[in-house]
Amino acid sequence: AQSVTQPDIHITVSEGASLELRCNYSYGATPYLFWYVQSPGQGLQLLLKYFSGDTLVQGIKGFEAEFKRSQSSFNLRKPSVHWSDAAEYFCAVTSGTYKYIFGTGTRLKVLA
Amino acid sequence: GAGVSQSPSNKVTEKGKDVELRCDPISGHTALYWYRQRLGQGLEFLIYFQGNSAPDKSGLPSDRFSAERTGESVSTLTIQRTQQEDSAVYLCASSLRGSDEQYFGPGTRLTVT
Repeated sequence: AQSVTQPDIHITVSEGASLELRCNYSYGATPYLFWYVQSPGQGLQLLLKYFSGDTLVQGIKGFEAEFKRSQSSFNLRKPSVHWSDAAEYFCAVTSGTYKYIFGTGTRLKVLA
Repeated sequence: GAGVSQSPSNKVTEKGKDVELRCDPISGHTALYWYRQRLGQGLEFLIYFQGNSAPDKSGLPSDRFSAERTGESVSTLTIQRTQQEDSAVYLCASSLRGSDEQYFGPGTRLTVT
């Protein structure tokens, strides 16, 4: 069955530290992959997406993600976290249709 | 420009009552989606509208759930005879035809007591 796993429910990092949020997927077809961020009281905002080509994709707010087919992963990274990055992050996958499969999310806390 | 808006932002209702949740998509977006987000879980697809095509209702969890959309504008998600397990945040999103990028509203937090 198709699925997306975000193994870390909560992550806490200090401001200025690097960040990596994990995402693993199980998908038969070539996946289209997304990372969304949800701030408190806000809707989800697209950070970045991968369809094909270069496996390292750049997104907004200084985020990047790397698609690794051999590991079925699409981890999100940021070299230096800001306090405003505290939010919940969702990984999602689709085969190119409108039906996304979302992970359960990772809540990021940033320490001053 | 204006984003996707949803109302109400919060709704508390008694078990057994009916509720209506509203979504105003971004103007010009032909596609509209409803999702349910239960506490500690990912987003669960409910229904998809694309223009005047028949909606994809495959994600609706029971016949107590229904949704309508007027043309390419407002959509209403109705939950009849609410149950406690219906408590969740209901998110609406819209997108341009042929686009994979969905724009989300802030959601409606539904609490069934």
